[in-house]
Amino acid sequence: AQSVSQHNHHVILSEAASLELGCNYSYGGTVNLFWYVQYPGQHLQLLLKYFSGDPLVKGIKGFEAEFIKSKFSFNLRKPSVQWSDTAEYFCAAGGSASKIIFGSGTRLSIRP
Amino acid sequence: GAVVSQHPSWVICKSGTSVKIECRSLDFQATTMFWYRQFPKQSLMLMATSNEGSKATYEQGVEKDKFLINHASLTLSTLTVTSAHPEDSSFYICSALDRLASSYEQYFGPGTRLTVT
Repeated sequence: AQSVSQHNHHVILSEAASLELGCNYSYGGTVNLFWYVQYPGQHLQLLLKYFSGDPLVKGIKGFEAEFIKSKFSFNLRKPSVQWSDTAEYFCAAGGSASKIIFGSGTRLSIRP
Repeated sequence: GAVVSQHPSWVICKSGTSVKIECRSLDFQATTMFWYRQFPKQSLMLMATSNEGSKATYEQGVEKDKFLINHASLTLSTLTVTSAHPEDSSFYICSALDRLASSYEQYFGPGTRLTVT
């Protein structure tokens, strides 16, 4: 069965701390991977995506993610978080031009 | 960039009435749109895939007679919640695939908050 797991439900960090949010997926066939962010009161925005090629993907706002096929993982990282990174983060997986399955989300709170 | 709009942004209706939510791709054509619902502090659950000119494909457990989806044009899909009940209260979000883009990125609308009283 297709699924996406985010094991961290709520992460609390201080400003300037490093961030890593875990994401594991189970998906048959070629998989496309995404990280979305939902700021309070706003709609989903794409942070980054992986379709093929370099497994280290760089996105907007200093975020990056690494696709490790052997571990079925696509963890999100940022070396130094800011208060403005407070949001809900969703990992998602999908096939080509097909539906996307979302993880349960990780709420990130940054202490100023 | 690609923009998807939803109308209305919020709606309150009485139990037993029907509500229509529109999803529009403003600057691109979308042969495929998706409808999700999101409960408070939870993730997005895919309800159905809407293809222009054909019947929608519903996910398991989603009542197709209750959640009517129409994708009549390349820029518009509608979701009608029929005979709404309080348990249908939720945040409904649509997304659209750009048919001309080489990527498979979905562009999300801002969502519609439905409250059934």
